[in-house]
Amino acid sequence: AQTVTQSQPEMSVQEAETVTLSCTYDTSESDYYLFWYKQPPSRQMILVIRQEAYKQQNATENRFSVNFQKAAKSFSLKISDSQLGDAAMYFCAYRSFLLIQGAQKLVFGQGTRLTINP
Amino acid sequence: GAGVSQTPSNKVTEKGKYVELRCDPISGHTALYWYRQSLGQGPEFLIYFQGTGAADDSGLPNDRFFAVRPEGSVSTLKIQRTERGDSAVYLCASSSLGGETQYFGPGTRLLVL
Repeated sequence: AQTVTQSQPEMSVQEAETVTLSCTYDTSESDYYLFWYKQPPSRQMILVIRQEAYKQQNATENRFSVNFQKAAKSFSLKISDSQLGDAAMYFCAYRSFLLIQGAQKLVFGQGTRLTINP
Repeated sequence: GAGVSQTPSNKVTEKGKYVELRCDPISGHTALYWYRQSLGQGPEFLIYFQGTGAADDSGLPNDRFFAVRPEGSVSTLKIQRTERGDSAVYLCASSSLGGETQYFGPGTRLLVL
């Protein structure tokens, strides 16, 4: 079974600075998807960024980018020019590429609470 | 278009009671997922529907939990004889056929007293 680990329960950063959130995962599969979701106090999980494992190029979405190290099974999220609205819980998640039963679910890490200091 | 909606937003019930939680997915999304998020934890998978049928219910914790999706759109998660340990946020997500990205609703916070 796949597992996802986020080793930083809490992180803080000064507004306008850059912060990196860590995520490692364990899988025997070669093709899969990785996600970062943001969960503000409103509870709604919002997709931040997605990475396909077969793509070597790291995904970027505006101020958000990832460092995907497939051999190391590492998938960190970098937030540049941090803004007050970035404050939230951030979850790393894994999904298999397969379409067989049991493969479609997301497997989440424990989350990292990000605080932005003005 | 409208996103995933869930009702009620909050539900308080007493131990032993029956509750129903509703999820209305994004229009046209054939896949629907239920997750449970305990305090301070990441969401955990409960059940996955493809159309009207439960394609994977391996995450349901016991037979007190049941979910239906009779017309392939709205889904209802049903919990019988609720226990205090059932207190959590129940999240619903949907995706298009073959789509790898799941879009989440705002969740229902269930509190069992």
